[in-house]
Amino acid sequence: AQSVTQLDSQVPVFEEAPVELRCNYSSSVSVYLFWYVQYPNQGLQLLLKYLSGSTLVKGINGFEAEFNKSQTSFHLRKPSVHISDTAEYFCAVNKAAGNKLTFGGGTRVLVKP
Amino acid sequence: SQTIHQWPATLVQPVGSPLSLECTVEGTSNPNLYWYRQAAGRGLQLLFYSVGIGQISSEVPQNLSASRPQDRQFILSSKKLLLSDSGFYLCAWRGTGTLYFGPGTRLTVT
Repeated sequence: AQSVTQLDSQVPVFEEAPVELRCNYSSSVSVYLFWYVQYPNQGLQLLLKYLSGSTLVKGINGFEAEFNKSQTSFHLRKPSVHISDTAEYFCAVNKAAGNKLTFGGGTRVLVKP
Repeated sequence: SQTIHQWPATLVQPVGSPLSLECTVEGTSNPNLYWYRQAAGRGLQLLFYSVGIGQISSEVPQNLSASRPQDRQFILSSKKLLLSDSGFYLCAWRGTGTLYFGPGTRLTVT
């Protein structure tokens, strides 16, 4: 079975500073990887995904992530955050041939002015 | 384009009462559909998924059930709610290897 670990439950960061959210996964087979964002009392919105191809994936709102197979990681980065990036971020993994998405525990990002 | 709807948006129900949450998808046919629950301090938990009409897979034993009476309709039900059923319920559909989520239903059991 696959699993996902988000190493930081909360990340405070100042506006215009860079941010990195860490995600590690375990799986014995090929996987698809995702990052979702959740604003308060809303559903999950897809930020970006890795299915195949280039290991550097660019998403919406200036976010990007890099798939590192040897380290089984898929860390999310943004070079300069805005107040509006305050939200909870979820990393998720899906077996390439599977039906089910497994989520990490989430990372709350609080952007301070 | 595809859209996913959930209703109601919020619900407050007493312990022991029944539950019915509905999810519908537009703009696609025969999608895989999913129910997730987000409870405080417990992350996102897959409850049920369906690959077609009448086909339901349960991931977590509990007092909830799911049904798929039509291709693009997915219903989450309970005969008697427990306090522990409180949470944020999210429906999702699967397209091109990716899950797309609805706006969610906030359920508070009192």
